[in-house]
Amino acid sequence: DVKVTQSSRYLVKRTGEKVFLECVQDMDHENMFWYRQDPGLGLRLIYFSYDVKMKEKGDIPEGYSVSREKKERFSLILESASTNQTSMYLCASSPSSLAGGLNEQFFGPGTRLTVL
Amino acid sequence: RKEVEQDPGPFNVPEGATVAFNCTYSNSASQSFFWYRQDCRKEPKLLMSVYSSGNEDGRFTAQLNRASQYISLLIRDSKLSDSATYLCVVREDTGRRALTFGSGTRLQVQP
Repeated sequence: DVKVTQSSRYLVKRTGEKVFLECVQDMDHENMFWYRQDPGLGLRLIYFSYDVKMKEKGDIPEGYSVSREKKERFSLILESASTNQTSMYLCASSPSSLAGGLNEQFFGPGTRLTVL
Repeated sequence: RKEVEQDPGPFNVPEGATVAFNCTYSNSASQSFFWYRQDCRKEPKLLMSVYSSGNEDGRFTAQLNRASQYISLLIRDSKLSDSATYLCVVREDTGRRALTFGSGTRLQVQP
């Protein structure tokens, strides 16, 4: 079974703090993604990575950065947390584009981040 | 305008009922279509892909209408365990690795 784990289920931070959200997958997947999920807005893509040290901006990258130093690990960084970044953050991974590997994404359990 | 639009619901139906959800997408170049399921406080999981000719997986039937740019999911003989949020998902072209998610339709099956 594919397993995607995220470092915390719940996190509370203060405005202005630097926040690291970690995601690890154990299936040797090439692609990894960070989303945030808010009521009424669904999942919105923040960043994704298709290889080690490679990254691409998603639909809402402002206020975030990412790091992918190892294939299995994809980190989301909030350089200076703000209250509008309070959300559920979901990490996902998917295999390569060969044989339709892009079509299924496997999600971690999510991190509910509250910024006070 | 959202790229993928769904009625948020909730749809409240009795056990055994048939229920259908629709979803519309704005990008006519979209290539691939899916339904994901998300249980309360859990992560989304792939339910089924949607093929041009329509496809069935047990009690679930998915259909695609490219001309009208909508996707549907039909659930027959609803079970209590079908209660969840159903996310309509689109991949816009073969070169794009990312998926675009609708905000979901909530289904509550009642005894």
